[in-house]
Amino acid sequence: KAGVTQTPRYLIKTRGQQVTLSCSPISGHRSVSWYQQTPGQGLQFLFEYFSETQRNKGNFPGRFSGRQFSNSRSEMNVSTLELGDSALYLCASSLGQGSLNEQFFGPGTRLTVL
Amino acid sequence: QQQVKQSPQSLIVQKGGISIINCAYENTAFDYFPWYQQFPGKGPALLIAIRPDVSEKKEGRFTISFNKSAKQFSLHIMDSQPGDSATYFCAAKGRGGYQKVTFGTGTKLQVIP
Repeated sequence: KAGVTQTPRYLIKTRGQQVTLSCSPISGHRSVSWYQQTPGQGLQFLFEYFSETQRNKGNFPGRFSGRQFSNSRSEMNVSTLELGDSALYLCASSLGQGSLNEQFFGPGTRLTVL
Repeated sequence: QQQVKQSPQSLIVQKGGISIINCAYENTAFDYFPWYQQFPGKGPALLIAIRPDVSEKKEGRFTISFNKSAKQFSLHIMDSQPGDSATYFCAAKGRGGYQKVTFGTGTKLQVIP
């Protein structure tokens, strides 16, 4: 079974631009979560989608948004990029919700904002 | 209240030794405590997880010890190997659906031959 895939793997943007990252979950998984990973802040939860609906949201500004499609694929959008948005963006999928649903992470998209 | 505190930030252990990473939490609503292992260039991967009704869980060389009253849990890696060199994250999640996973800040483990 294929793992979680994220595209693109690397991205360089300039301040003020916007970016869209894509995540394809493991087949059959309906929940997709997004995380931002930086050396200083570690892994921080962005949001979670289940059945095309945002179920949970972390403490990030409205410039960060996402959506989930009927095939469970998810996209994350960051508008008006800032230097501090440079990070590894990780997507994780799980079968459903609930504490015991194991999350499987993708390799991430490395975003650099210049 | 959602914070999970992890220590140490980095750890160097000799091959064959025991690696110990500690985490502490405040929120008593957490009921699932996974540990993740991350290699450079890869996403985190679930290593082992525990629920608070169990005080210890062992899988191979990896053991989680859980102290509910102290709100602390730790990862022990026995007979540490150079291949264990990675960054380890503890995490916690509340019961029920729609609960986000809160991660510790990570411990970079280096196992030297």
